[in-house]
Amino acid sequence: EAQVTQNPRYLITVTGKKLTVTCSQNMNHEYMSWYRQDPGLGLRQIYYSMNVEVTDKGDVPEGYKVSRKEKRNFPLILESPSPNQTSLYFCASRDPGVSYGYTFGSGTRLTVV
Amino acid sequence: RKEVEQDPGPFNVPEGATVAFNCTYSNSASQSFFWYRQDCRKEPKLLMSVYSSGNEDGRFTAQLNRASQYISLLIRDSKLSDSATYLCVVKDSGGGADGLTFGKGTHLIIQP
Repeated sequence: EAQVTQNPRYLITVTGKKLTVTCSQNMNHEYMSWYRQDPGLGLRQIYYSMNVEVTDKGDVPEGYKVSRKEKRNFPLILESPSPNQTSLYFCASRDPGVSYGYTFGSGTRLTVV
Repeated sequence: RKEVEQDPGPFNVPEGATVAFNCTYSNSASQSFFWYRQDCRKEPKLLMSVYSSGNEDGRFTAQLNRASQYISLLIRDSKLSDSATYLCVVKDSGGGADGLTFGKGTHLIIQP
């Protein structure tokens, strides 16, 4: 089944404790992206990647890192999480070109206390 | 900054009714348009792309009006299962990020 897989689905952590949210896609998509979704603010892009070893900042990159060492994986790293990073996170992938929309993972609900 | 605007609703609609909502976008050079559906606390899922000539998929019809810079989604014979938030997505040819801008969504509630 074609899908984007994120782990974990739920995570509660403490301020300052480094964490990684994994994302993997099995559709051989070139583009991958991370979004966060907050009430009233909608989906905001954190980082995106157009191919292996190519990453760029989205609208809200502060406090996050990403890497794209392999085409299928695009982990999101929070080096020192803070409570304002409590949010619902989505990883997504798509083919390049104007006609293609994103396929999203099931989401990771992160709480930083 | 490129903007995609939607009425957040909620739209409360009786089952079986026809409902339509619009999405306006600010960048006249926008290339592609999509409607996504998002159920509560779930991931957004692509509902349909919006083509220049308009397109229909079962009970759903999407239209694009480039002159007025809006896209619309029409749902006929609405079902209880259509209750969700509908996100408008616009793709630009360039600019920051990968050119996709999401609206904040329109919340639709179909009532029995």
